[in-house]
Amino acid sequence: GAGVSQSPSNKVTEKGKDVELRCDPISGHTALYWYRQRLGQGLEFLIYFQGNSAPDKSGLPSDRFSAERTGESVSTLTIQRTQQEDSAVYLCASSSRGSYNEQFFGPGTRLTVL
Amino acid sequence: DAKTTQPNSMESNEEEPVHLPCNHSTISGTDYIHWYRQLPSQGPEYVIHGLTSNVNNRMASLAIAEDRKSSTLILHRATLRDAAVYYCILGAGNNNDMRFGAGTRLTVKP
Repeated sequence: GAGVSQSPSNKVTEKGKDVELRCDPISGHTALYWYRQRLGQGLEFLIYFQGNSAPDKSGLPSDRFSAERTGESVSTLTIQRTQQEDSAVYLCASSSRGSYNEQFFGPGTRLTVL
Repeated sequence: DAKTTQPNSMESNEEEPVHLPCNHSTISGTDYIHWYRQLPSQGPEYVIHGLTSNVNNRMASLAIAEDRKSSTLILHRATLRDAAVYYCILGAGNNNDMRFGAGTRLTVKP
């Protein structure tokens, strides 16, 4: 079946603009994660959705970052008034309780803020 | 969240075994130990997981200390393709809340 997909694969934007990144999880997966990965660094947790529960937003670096998820489907990560330090690869993962929590990752969106 | 500690980097020679350590002294009784790896320019991929007993699969082996406060991922014969960042993560069996840290960057020398 289809894996996790993300769009766009690449996004170049100007400082101060808003961007929206999309993640389509694997169908039936209740959990969805967003991570940020700067060049040469490890994954930085941003936000976690689990079913219809309130999301865990503890990793969002500032109030310019927000994310939504409708039920157990698509999620969007929005970055307002982008800054150059927001440049990174944004990775989405989904998982299901039935699979020992194995996270399946999408290919990521590479964001470049000029 | 239960945290893990890994060395920032390790080096290995091709065709030799590699032992990647992970400390998780605050692990709880329900936490599984998961390992993922991230090849260059790719998203992380699952490697192996375990609870108490040592585990083997086609990719690697996982050795878990008797007190579960540490574990070791074993690559029996490193290849150049095994060069990646390896992440050790704890996750409870009844929820999906797993967080990735910085991992260990493994360099394999020919």
